[in-house]
Amino acid sequence: QLQLQESGPGLVKPSETLSLTCSVSGGTISSSRYFWAWVRQPPGKGPEWIGTVSYSGSTYYNPSLQSRGTVYADRSKNRLSLRLSSVAAADTAIYYCARGDLRALLDYWGPGILVTVSS
Amino acid sequence: EIVLTQSPGTLSLSPGERATLSCRASQSVSSTYIAWYQQKPGQAPRLLISGASSRATGIPDRFSGSGSETDFTLIITRLEPEDFAVYYCQQYDVSPFTFGPGTKVEIK
Repeated sequence: QLQLQESGPGLVKPSETLSLTCSVSGGTISSSRYFWAWVRQPPGKGPEWIGTVSYSGSTYYNPSLQSRGTVYADRSKNRLSLRLSSVAAADTAIYYCARGDLRALLDYWGPGILVTVSS
Repeated sequence: EIVLTQSPGTLSLSPGERATLSCRASQSVSSTYIAWYQQKPGQAPRLLISGASSRATGIPDRFSGSGSETDFTLIITRLEPEDFAVYYCQQYDVSPFTFGPGTKVEIK
């Protein structure tokens, strides 16, 4: 059974960089069949697609992030990472990693991690 | 960016009743690329429907989806206690892939 688990700091200061990791077990991120996405959900709102990375490292991003986001697939450790620079209060959200296809149809999700941006 | 609008915001129903949830897109979306997710408090979204009408693995047949172009519908024929949750539609036709704001189905 595929499992995804996000980890990282729950509190980040404004203007700093948010860094999260997603550990994948029960499957490999090296499969060409799947893509891996990060999605965030501000409290009380709908989800927002952040970006997607393929097994080969190709990346696709939501332009709303204005180039602040970087997603990476570490095949040697079977894990994903997300970096979001210059964070502000509006970046406060639950961050999820998920498995999907190129178009971000997401069939397996991690439980999510709440990240608060505050000084 | 394609904006998805969901209505109603909240649906108050009793177990056994039928729920009809609407999702409207700001521009035409291929029905091949409309999905519905269910989210319960403290949990991640769960994929219910893809391709506007195809149930994901393990999803009971009381859930059905339909629609085309800009108007899509999720129907739950007979609400079970575990169906009370928030439902999101998603378009994965055009990047950036977007989600709606959700419809909360609550117990009346």
